[in-house]
Amino acid sequence: GNSVTQMEGPVTLSEEAFLTINCTYTATGYPSLFWYVQYPGEGLQLLLKATKADDKGSNKGFEATYRKETTSFHLEKGSVQVSDSAVYFCALSEKNAGNMLTFGGGTRLMVKP
Amino acid sequence: DAGVIQSPRHEVTEMGQEVTLRCKPISGHDYLFWYRQTMMRGLELLIYFNNNVPIDDSGMPEDRFSAKMPNASFSTLKIQPSEPRDSAVYFCASSTGTGRGYGYTFGSGTRLTVV
Repeated sequence: GNSVTQMEGPVTLSEEAFLTINCTYTATGYPSLFWYVQYPGEGLQLLLKATKADDKGSNKGFEATYRKETTSFHLEKGSVQVSDSAVYFCALSEKNAGNMLTFGGGTRLMVKP
Repeated sequence: DAGVIQSPRHEVTEMGQEVTLRCKPISGHDYLFWYRQTMMRGLELLIYFNNNVPIDDSGMPEDRFSAKMPNASFSTLKIQPSEPRDSAVYFCASSTGTGRGYGYTFGSGTRLTVV
């Protein structure tokens, strides 16, 4: 079956630090990959996605590259802000599984001023 | 589009009472999902519908939980009777199942507290 593994949090950083949240996956086919973000008190929002190998998804200064050879989709940001404090979820979907999303466990990011 | 709309945003109820959570998906989306989120168990898929038909309810905790989708623009999740351990944030999400790279759009959630 499909699965997504994320690094456990919380990740605590100072403002303007570099962020990496690791995500690796197992899939039976050729998945699409996603990062969702959940701000306090809100639902999950799509942050970025990539649908084929070597694609780079980007949004709001965040980036992630679809690495088929290492089955990874690590989230990065060069300079985090306090407003980036949230929970980040990595996820995958496969067309032959009805595009059902499989989520990782989430990683809490705390950014201190 | 207003996105996925859930109501109420907050619900506080006494143990044993019936609770009904509501969801309006995005127009044109043919998949609807109900999730529960707690600190202990994280994000759990309870049930999902395709074209208003329940496809997989294996995540529904027990018979006290039921979900319906009478039409393409409305779904309910009912808990009867409610128990304190049902306290959680319940999310509804919708999606279209065709093509690659279609994620889900989530509602803002209903925070349920059972006292």
